[in-house]
Amino acid sequence: GQNIDQPTEMTATEGAIVQINCTYQTSGFNGLFWYQQHAGEAPTFLSYNVLDGLEEKGRFSSFLSRSKGYSYLLLKELQMKDSASYLCAVSDTDKLIFGTGTRLQVFP
Amino acid sequence: ETGVTQTPRHLVMGMTNKKSLKCEQHLGHNAMYWYKQSAKKPLELMFVYNFKEQTENNSVPSRFSPECPNSSHLFLHLHTLQPEDSALYLCASSQEHPGTGSTDTQYFGPGTRLTVL
Repeated sequence: GQNIDQPTEMTATEGAIVQINCTYQTSGFNGLFWYQQHAGEAPTFLSYNVLDGLEEKGRFSSFLSRSKGYSYLLLKELQMKDSASYLCAVSDTDKLIFGTGTRLQVFP
Repeated sequence: ETGVTQTPRHLVMGMTNKKSLKCEQHLGHNAMYWYKQSAKKPLELMFVYNFKEQTENNSVPSRFSPECPNSSHLFLHLHTLQPEDSALYLCASSQEHPGTGSTDTQYFGPGTRLTVL
Protein backbone atom coordinates (compact mmCIF):
# COMPACT_ATOMS: atom_id res chain seq x y z
CA GLY A 1 0.00 0.00 0.00
CA GLN A 2 0.90 3.68 -0.06
CA ASN A 3 2.11 5.20 3.18
CA ILE A 4 3.90 8.43 4.06
CA ASP A 5 4.79 9.01 7.73
CA GLN A 6 5.99 12.19 9.35
CA PRO A 7 5.65 13.57 12.89
CA THR A 8 2.49 15.53 13.56
CA GLU A 9 4.04 18.38 15.52
CA MET A 10 7.46 19.74 16.44
CA THR A 11 8.68 22.73 18.40
CA ALA A 12 12.01 24.53 18.27
CA THR A 13 13.68 27.74 19.36
CA GLU A 14 14.59 30.69 17.16
CA GLY A 15 18.15 30.32 15.85
CA ALA A 16 18.21 26.55 16.39
CA ILE A 17 18.33 23.68 13.89
CA VAL A 18 15.42 21.28 13.38
CA GLN A 19 15.15 18.07 11.36
CA ILE A 20 11.79 16.84 10.11
CA ASN A 21 11.77 13.18 9.11
CA CYS A 22 9.65 11.44 6.52
CA THR A 23 9.44 7.72 5.78
CA TYR A 24 7.56 6.32 2.83
CA GLN A 25 6.31 3.14 1.24
CA THR A 26 4.93 3.55 -2.26
CA SER A 27 4.50 1.28 -5.26
CA GLY A 28 6.48 3.65 -7.49
CA PHE A 29 9.02 6.38 -6.92
CA ASN A 30 9.85 9.33 -9.14
CA GLY A 31 11.14 11.67 -6.48
CA LEU A 32 10.26 13.25 -3.15
CA PHE A 33 9.05 16.78 -2.58
CA TRP A 34 8.91 19.01 0.48
CA TYR A 35 6.38 21.81 0.65
CA GLN A 36 5.86 24.56 3.24
CA GLN A 37 2.34 25.65 4.10
CA HIS A 38 1.52 28.61 6.33
CA ALA A 39 -1.93 28.59 7.90
CA GLY A 40 -4.57 29.61 5.39
CA GLU A 41 -2.12 29.77 2.51
CA ALA A 42 -1.04 27.65 -0.46
CA PRO A 43 1.59 24.95 -0.05
CA THR A 44 4.81 26.32 -1.59
CA PHE A 45 7.57 24.21 -3.09
CA LEU A 46 10.75 23.88 -1.03
CA SER A 47 12.79 21.02 -2.46
CA TYR A 48 12.90 17.97 -4.69
CA ASN A 49 15.12 14.89 -4.31
CA VAL A 50 15.25 12.03 -6.77
CA LEU A 51 18.81 10.78 -6.15
CA ASP A 52 20.30 9.76 -2.82
CA GLY A 53 22.07 12.47 -0.92
CA LEU A 54 21.73 15.98 0.37
CA GLU A 55 20.35 18.97 -1.53
CA GLU A 56 21.13 22.33 0.05
CA LYS A 57 19.22 25.51 -0.61
CA GLY A 58 20.14 28.34 1.72
CA ARG A 59 18.94 27.63 5.26
CA PHE A 60 17.00 24.57 4.08
CA SER A 61 18.45 21.18 3.12
CA SER A 62 16.74 17.95 2.14
CA PHE A 63 18.15 14.45 2.27
CA LEU A 64 17.01 11.26 0.57
CA SER A 65 17.84 7.58 1.01
CA ARG A 66 15.85 5.53 -1.49
CA SER A 67 17.01 2.19 -0.10
CA LYS A 68 15.66 3.14 3.34
CA GLY A 69 12.53 4.91 2.09
CA TYR A 70 13.60 7.91 4.15
CA SER A 71 13.97 11.64 3.77
CA TYR A 72 14.49 14.58 6.07
CA LEU A 73 14.17 18.33 5.81
CA LEU A 74 16.75 20.29 7.78
CA LEU A 75 16.05 23.88 8.74
CA LYS A 76 18.96 25.94 10.09
CA GLU A 77 19.04 29.30 11.87
CA LEU A 78 15.33 29.05 12.55
CA GLN A 79 13.26 32.19 12.27
CA MET A 80 9.79 32.91 13.61
CA LYS A 81 8.46 32.98 10.04
CA ASP A 82 9.46 29.31 9.67
CA SER A 83 6.47 28.39 11.86
CA ALA A 84 4.33 26.47 9.36
CA SER A 85 3.36 22.96 8.28
CA TYR A 86 5.88 21.00 6.25
CA LEU A 87 4.46 18.47 3.82
CA CYS A 88 6.39 15.48 2.53
CA ALA A 89 5.11 14.13 -0.81
CA VAL A 90 6.28 11.22 -2.96
CA SER A 91 5.82 11.18 -6.70
CA ASP A 92 4.37 7.77 -7.48
CA THR A 93 4.44 7.50 -11.28
CA ASP A 94 2.11 10.32 -12.30
CA LYS A 95 0.70 11.53 -8.99
CA LEU A 96 1.82 12.90 -5.65
CA ILE A 97 1.12 11.03 -2.41
CA PHE A 98 1.20 13.36 0.60
CA GLY A 99 1.91 12.81 4.26
CA THR A 100 -0.25 14.50 6.90
CA GLY A 101 2.30 17.26 7.35
CA THR A 102 4.42 18.31 10.33
CA ARG A 103 3.35 21.45 12.13
CA LEU A 104 6.46 23.30 13.30
CA GLN A 105 6.23 26.00 15.95
CA VAL A 106 9.24 28.24 16.46
CA PHE A 107 9.47 30.02 19.80
CA PRO A 108 11.56 33.09 20.64
CA GLU B 1 2.06 34.45 -5.50
CA THR B 2 2.47 31.00 -7.06
CA GLY B 3 0.83 31.76 -10.40
CA VAL B 4 -2.29 29.81 -9.46
CA THR B 5 -5.38 31.69 -8.33
CA GLN B 6 -8.57 30.38 -6.79
CA THR B 7 -11.94 31.97 -6.16
CA PRO B 8 -13.75 32.31 -3.90
CA ARG B 9 -11.34 32.11 -0.96
CA HIS B 10 -14.16 31.31 1.45
CA LEU B 11 -17.54 29.72 0.80
CA VAL B 12 -20.39 28.81 3.11
CA MET B 13 -23.22 26.80 1.60
CA GLY B 14 -26.23 24.80 2.62
CA MET B 15 -26.66 21.17 1.70
CA THR B 16 -29.17 21.99 -1.03
CA ASN B 17 -27.13 24.73 -2.71
CA LYS B 18 -25.20 24.54 -5.97
CA LYS B 19 -21.91 26.42 -6.20
CA SER B 20 -18.71 26.32 -8.21
CA LEU B 21 -15.05 26.77 -7.32
CA LYS B 22 -12.75 28.31 -9.90
CA CYS B 23 -9.04 27.88 -10.48
CA GLU B 24 -6.82 29.64 -13.00
CA GLN B 25 -3.14 29.06 -13.66
CA HIS B 26 -0.83 31.57 -15.35
CA LEU B 27 2.18 29.27 -15.67
CA GLY B 28 1.57 27.71 -19.08
CA HIS B 29 1.20 24.27 -17.53
CA ASN B 30 -0.71 21.42 -19.15
CA ALA B 31 -1.96 19.56 -16.08
CA MET B 32 -4.29 20.70 -13.31
CA TYR B 33 -5.42 19.06 -10.09
CA TRP B 34 -8.06 19.30 -7.38
CA TYR B 35 -7.11 18.29 -3.84
CA LYS B 36 -9.10 18.16 -0.61
CA GLN B 37 -7.32 19.10 2.63
CA SER B 38 -9.08 18.19 5.89
CA ALA B 39 -7.72 18.77 9.36
CA LYS B 40 -5.12 16.22 10.44
CA LYS B 41 -5.40 14.30 7.17
CA PRO B 42 -3.06 14.12 4.19
CA LEU B 43 -3.87 16.08 1.08
CA GLU B 44 -6.29 13.89 -0.90
CA LEU B 45 -6.07 13.94 -4.68
CA MET B 46 -9.56 14.25 -6.18
CA PHE B 47 -9.17 14.87 -9.93
CA VAL B 48 -6.39 15.24 -12.48
CA TYR B 49 -6.62 16.80 -15.91
CA ASN B 50 -3.82 16.37 -18.45
CA PHE B 51 -4.15 18.34 -21.67
CA LYS B 52 -7.78 19.03 -20.69
CA GLU B 53 -8.60 15.32 -20.42
CA GLN B 54 -9.55 13.86 -17.08
CA THR B 55 -7.01 11.17 -16.24
CA GLU B 56 -7.81 10.57 -12.59
CA ASN B 57 -10.98 10.39 -10.57
CA ASN B 58 -9.99 9.22 -7.15
CA SER B 59 -13.30 7.63 -6.14
CA VAL B 60 -14.84 11.03 -5.57
CA PRO B 61 -18.62 11.18 -4.93
CA SER B 62 -20.68 12.42 -7.85
CA ARG B 63 -21.78 15.49 -5.88
CA PHE B 64 -18.36 16.87 -6.95
CA SER B 65 -18.17 17.49 -10.69
CA PRO B 66 -14.99 18.88 -12.31
CA GLU B 67 -14.79 20.83 -15.54
CA CYS B 68 -11.70 21.82 -17.49
CA PRO B 69 -12.62 24.03 -20.48
CA ASN B 70 -8.99 24.75 -21.38
CA SER B 71 -5.52 24.14 -19.98
CA SER B 72 -5.59 27.34 -17.88
CA HIS B 73 -8.95 26.97 -16.14
CA LEU B 74 -10.41 24.37 -13.85
CA PHE B 75 -13.76 24.32 -12.07
CA LEU B 76 -15.25 22.19 -9.34
CA HIS B 77 -19.04 22.18 -9.36
CA LEU B 78 -20.66 21.37 -6.05
CA HIS B 79 -24.23 20.22 -5.36
CA THR B 80 -26.05 18.60 -2.46
CA LEU B 81 -22.91 18.48 -0.35
CA GLN B 82 -22.67 17.00 3.13
CA PRO B 83 -21.21 18.63 6.27
CA GLU B 84 -18.26 16.21 6.10
CA ASP B 85 -17.31 17.84 2.78
CA SER B 86 -16.25 20.94 4.70
CA ALA B 87 -12.53 21.33 4.01
CA LEU B 88 -9.91 23.38 2.19
CA TYR B 89 -10.03 22.68 -1.56
CA LEU B 90 -6.73 23.25 -3.27
CA CYS B 91 -6.03 23.54 -6.96
CA ALA B 92 -2.58 22.86 -8.40
CA SER B 93 -0.90 22.82 -11.79
CA SER B 94 2.24 21.29 -13.27
CA GLN B 95 3.96 20.60 -16.56
CA GLU B 96 3.52 16.97 -17.53
CA HIS B 97 5.74 15.07 -19.94
CA PRO B 98 3.67 12.42 -21.73
CA GLY B 99 5.08 8.92 -21.74
CA THR B 100 7.73 9.58 -19.10
CA GLY B 101 5.58 8.72 -16.09
CA SER B 102 7.14 11.61 -14.21
CA THR B 103 5.59 14.45 -12.23
CA ASP B 104 7.05 17.92 -12.35
CA THR B 105 6.73 20.23 -9.37
CA GLN B 106 3.12 21.08 -8.65
CA TYR B 107 2.27 24.70 -7.84
CA PHE B 108 -0.71 25.29 -5.59
CA GLY B 109 -3.33 27.97 -5.34
CA PRO B 110 -4.32 29.45 -1.96
CA GLY B 111 -7.40 27.25 -1.71
CA THR B 112 -11.09 27.73 -1.05
CA ARG B 113 -12.18 27.20 2.54
CA LEU B 114 -15.56 25.48 2.19
CA THR B 115 -18.07 25.15 5.02
CA VAL B 116 -21.21 23.09 4.46
CA LEU B 117 -24.00 23.75 6.92
